[in-house]
Amino acid sequence: QVQLVESGGGVVQPGGSLRLSCTASGFTFSKYAMHWVRQAPGKGLEWVASIVYDGSNKYYAESVKGRFTISRDNSENTLYLQMNTLRTEDTALYYCAEEGGPGYSDGYGNPFDYWGQGTLVTVSS
Amino acid sequence: EIVLTQSPGTLSLSPGARATLSCRTSQSISNSDLAWYQQKPGQAPRLLIYGASNRAAGIPDRFSGSGSGTDFTLTISRLEPEDFAVYYCQQYGSSPHTFGQGTKLEIK
Repeated sequence: QVQLVESGGGVVQPGGSLRLSCTASGFTFSKYAMHWVRQAPGKGLEWVASIVYDGSNKYYAESVKGRFTISRDNSENTLYLQMNTLRTEDTALYYCAEEGGPGYSDGYGNPFDYWGQGTLVTVSS
Repeated sequence: EIVLTQSPGTLSLSPGARATLSCRTSQSISNSDLAWYQQKPGQAPRLLIYGASNRAAGIPDRFSGSGSGTDFTLTISRLEPEDFAVYYCQQYGSSPHTFGQGTKLEIK
């Protein structure tokens, strides 16, 4: 069955950096676009970034553009989110999600079929 | 950016009742690229409905979605105890992906 397992969260000071990972299994990882979605404590869902199946195109929310970088290693079935210049408002549970559909999409046009359980990022001095 | 507005913010109903949740979008959604997710406390969101009206795999038929253009509805025909949760709509057809603010369905 599909499994997505996030790791790398923790407590970091404002201005610091973290790299999140999402290890995938149970499906052909290299065929599907992947996404990061975050949820601040007690708040709703916010899409953060997307990467198409082969890594050739990446998309970012305005709130993280220029500070976060999404990447993937299809040989390791792993998705990454490099987060730099972190702010207190980046504090959230970060989920990775697999985009469904037939595969090989451009990052749009399909819902998020499967989600990991999330990794918590806390930005605080 | 397409803004999604869900209503009501909180819906209080009894088990066995019918629930109707609304999602309105600031622009027409192409190809009905609208999904509904359910999130229970301490859990990740779960896909319920995609393409505005298609149930995801394993979703009971008491869940149904409808609508097009800018007005969409999630209906739960007869509430079961496990249905009390927060529900989010999402448009996934254009950049950036956006979610509604959520509707909390609570036991009356």
